[in-house]
Amino acid sequence: GEQVEQLPSILRVQEGSSASINCTYENSASNYFPWYKQEPGENPKLIIDIRSNMERKQTQGLIVLLDKKAKRFSLHITDTQPGDSAMYFCAAVMSNYNVLYFGSGTKLTVEP
Amino acid sequence: EAAVTQSPRNKVTVTGGNVTLSCRQTNSHNYMYWYRQDTGHGLRLIHYSYGAGNLQIGDVPDGYKATRTTQEDFFLLLELASPSQTSLYFCASSDSGSSQNTLYFGAGTRLSVL
Repeated sequence: GEQVEQLPSILRVQEGSSASINCTYENSASNYFPWYKQEPGENPKLIIDIRSNMERKQTQGLIVLLDKKAKRFSLHITDTQPGDSAMYFCAAVMSNYNVLYFGSGTKLTVEP
Repeated sequence: EAAVTQSPRNKVTVTGGNVTLSCRQTNSHNYMYWYRQDTGHGLRLIHYSYGAGNLQIGDVPDGYKATRTTQEDFFLLLELASPSQTSLYFCASSDSGSSQNTLYFGAGTRLSVL
């Protein structure tokens, strides 16, 4: 299997600032790293992902970075808004498997 | 977007009770999953399946059985429920052919075992 560690578990930022969430994984066979956002009372939804052939990916104020040597990947939310307040989960998928292993989650609160 | 429907949405049972959680997906996805979500643990995989009649064990299978009766339907069974199984349960599906392996989650079932 795979073990994914996610930090921090709780993150509070001011509106307009940046927020960063970091994850590490153990299995070098992991090659796909998605991020899911879960709003209060809702189910998790995919917001961005990165494959192992990339080091950086950006979309709509979200940046993900992947450092394969360190087995570390991260999510950066620029110019945070109250609507970014949610739980965020990182995950890793091993090559040739269709199973996501999730981190323990980060509760992000964006304060006005 | 993929449609994954879970029932019931809420369930209360007593210790030793028998509970069945149901999940149906209508997008012809091959893979279906059952996760439980607990504070501090994130989403943990209980069981999953890659087709009707198939069952694979996840990371936290103890106390749970599952059955995939059709392409669409995946059930999670708790035959002797315990308080430690109080949790929020999510079913999800994905397309085995998808290069992204995107999971589409249902709305969740909140289970309380008294």
